[in-house]
Amino acid sequence: SQQGEEDPQALSIQEGENATMNCSYKTSINNLQWYRQNSGRGLVHLILIRSNEREKHSGRLRVTLDTSKKSSSLLITASRAADTASYFCATDAVRLGRGSTLGRLYFGRGTQLTVWP
Amino acid sequence: EADIYQTPRYLVIGTGKKITLECSQTMGHDKMYWYQQDPGMELHLIHYSYGVNSTEKGDLSSESTVSRIRTEHFPLTLESARPSHTSQYLCASSYPGTGNPSNYGYTFGSGTRLTVV
Repeated sequence: SQQGEEDPQALSIQEGENATMNCSYKTSINNLQWYRQNSGRGLVHLILIRSNEREKHSGRLRVTLDTSKKSSSLLITASRAADTASYFCATDAVRLGRGSTLGRLYFGRGTQLTVWP
Repeated sequence: EADIYQTPRYLVIGTGKKITLECSQTMGHDKMYWYQQDPGMELHLIHYSYGVNSTEKGDLSSESTVSRIRTEHFPLTLESARPSHTSQYLCASSYPGTGNPSNYGYTFGSGTRLTVV
């Protein structure tokens, strides 16, 4: 399976601390994306990092990508209670024989982040 | 906020009933997707469409069907609901039709939580 696998499954921290979540995947990718999901809601796109990029920032979010290790990390700095949610990585896999423009994403099971006030 | 709408938000229905879950987007996106997600689990792609009159089955076997008669509308139909269909159904869209599709993330609706009794 191409699915990304997040680690840890659950993370509990205090407000102000940093939260780091990791994602591993199995095959070549066009890009890797991180999404956030509040309980019972849809997913919200956070950040996209292309396969030729190594690091990307967006506000308090920092994403790294290591294609040699097939892994990515999401760092949330100075976390807040409002950051409590599930975080998913999703991979846009290169599809051999059909090109790489199909845009199908494969999601992992997510990391449940709880930030305590 | 996302311009993709799913209705109904919650649905409780008896076994054997026919149901249609609605999904509409106002962003002019070519690509639309239906995912199924059980609590605490990954998202499974059940149907996708790359444009009008284009529909494909996803990775998870599903007894549902979809149609794409208009760009903005991608309804999902279950001809005969069963308790095994109880789940959350998420609709998403991506790609405005210009540029590299691999540079675009998904926009998700808020989901429909279906319970079949």
